Amino acid sequence: GQQLNQSPQSMFIQEGEDVSMNCTSSSIFNTWLWYKQDPGEGPVLLIALYKAGELTSNGRLTAQFGITRKDSFLNISASIPSDVGIYFCAGPAYGGATNKLIFGTGTLLAVQP
Amino acid sequence: NAGVMQNPRHLVRRRGQEARLRCSPMKGHSHVYWYRQLPEEGLKFMVYLQKENIIDESGMPKERFSAEFPKEGPSILRIQQVVRGDSAAYFCASSPTSTHEQYFGPGTRLTVT
Repeated sequence: GQQLNQSPQSMFIQEGEDVSMNCTSSSIFNTWLWYKQDPGEGPVLLIALYKAGELTSNGRLTAQFGITRKDSFLNISASIPSDVGIYFCAGPAYGGATNKLIFGTGTLLAVQP
Repeated sequence: NAGVMQNPRHLVRRRGQEARLRCSPMKGHSHVYWYRQLPEEGLKFMVYLQKENIIDESGMPKERFSAEFPKEGPSILRIQQVVRGDSAAYFCASSPTSTHEQYFGPGTRLTVT
């Protein structure tokens, strides 16, 4: 079935550093979503991507829809302590009338002040 | 505009009891999704509902689990005769139309003792 693999699994960085993470799949996705989850909370939608090659920003966050449609990237510039959390990529399962999302394995980000 | 609301936030049940989890979607949203998150894992789709209809329940265990989204009132995820393996965080999401951009609630953390 469809799977999304994220790397790295975890990152420990200093405040102010830039961060890059990615999400890959063996199958094509037509939409990529990036979510952030804080401990004890639900995922919050950060960025949605709909077109191969698309580059979209949300403040210090920038995400790209890979041209092969099998990957996506998320960059965070000038990280701050509140960036701490787990970042998930997600995409819609194909087939049928469903809107169900497949979620990636997550990247845990820790930021040292 | 209030976000997706879930209650209770924490629920403790003994093995064999029933658990009822409630979700009120964002105002204007008529599509509701339930996901389950086991510790240290990503979210797994369970069921997708529109008002009074189940659209996709491919992620729901065949026994003990049921979901509804009545014409009036919140969506309910019901787990009968809970077992320890049901302990997880259950998240509800909603969307205004048949879109992949889903907005999540804070979750209900179910603990089965």
